[in-house]
Amino acid sequence: EVQLVESGGGLIQPGGSLRLSCGASGFVFSSNHMSWVRQAPGKGLEWVSFIYIGGGTDYADSVKGRFTISRDNSKSMLYLQMNSLRAEDTAVYYCARGGYQFESWGQGTLVTVSS
Amino acid sequence: IVLTQSPGTLSLSPGERATLSCRASQSVSSTSLAWYQQKPGQAPRLLIYAASSRATGIPDRFSGSGSGTDFTLTISRLEPEDFAVYYCQQYGSTPRTFGQGTKLEI
Repeated sequence: EVQLVESGGGLIQPGGSLRLSCGASGFVFSSNHMSWVRQAPGKGLEWVSFIYIGGGTDYADSVKGRFTISRDNSKSMLYLQMNSLRAEDTAVYYCARGGYQFESWGQGTLVTVSS
Repeated sequence: IVLTQSPGTLSLSPGERATLSCRASQSVSSTSLAWYQQKPGQAPRLLIYAASSRATGIPDRFSGSGSGTDFTLTISRLEPEDFAVYYCQQYGSTPRTFGQGTKLEI
């Protein structure tokens, strides 16, 4: 069974940094593209970033230059380093399997940016 | 690519047929369009990819169609568990984008 478990969310002040983690199991992590998708409270889904099998990455314009996606295939882990956080980054952050369609999703971790 | 879903809310009864629309601001390459279902407090679930291919474990009452700029998700006979929010998403280009969602309510 595919499982994706996010962690690292919490309350952070504007301008602060946070690192999200996603542990994967039930599939060959190193053979899959991976992504982060977020959802602000009461709002729709917004793609944040993906990282391809070969390590290539891309970001939404809203986070480019502030967020960095990375992966550790030896640990089946996906990460999202978030710097210079803003109030508008407040959302549930989902880890998702895939870089095109998103085949499996974690339950999400809530990031709240507020003073 | 901006995706516009209609209607915003669709009110139907169990057993009825639901038709949800997703229109793209420009052509979606290679029918690179997916549909997701999201229930309150849950993560989204992939229903359809490549515009018309059902994901693993998805009942055959769910079907997708369309190409270019116009796509449709059809639920042939609504079951009580189908009432949720549905999103379309294109992956033919970056940034990946989602529609704003259609809420399917009883």
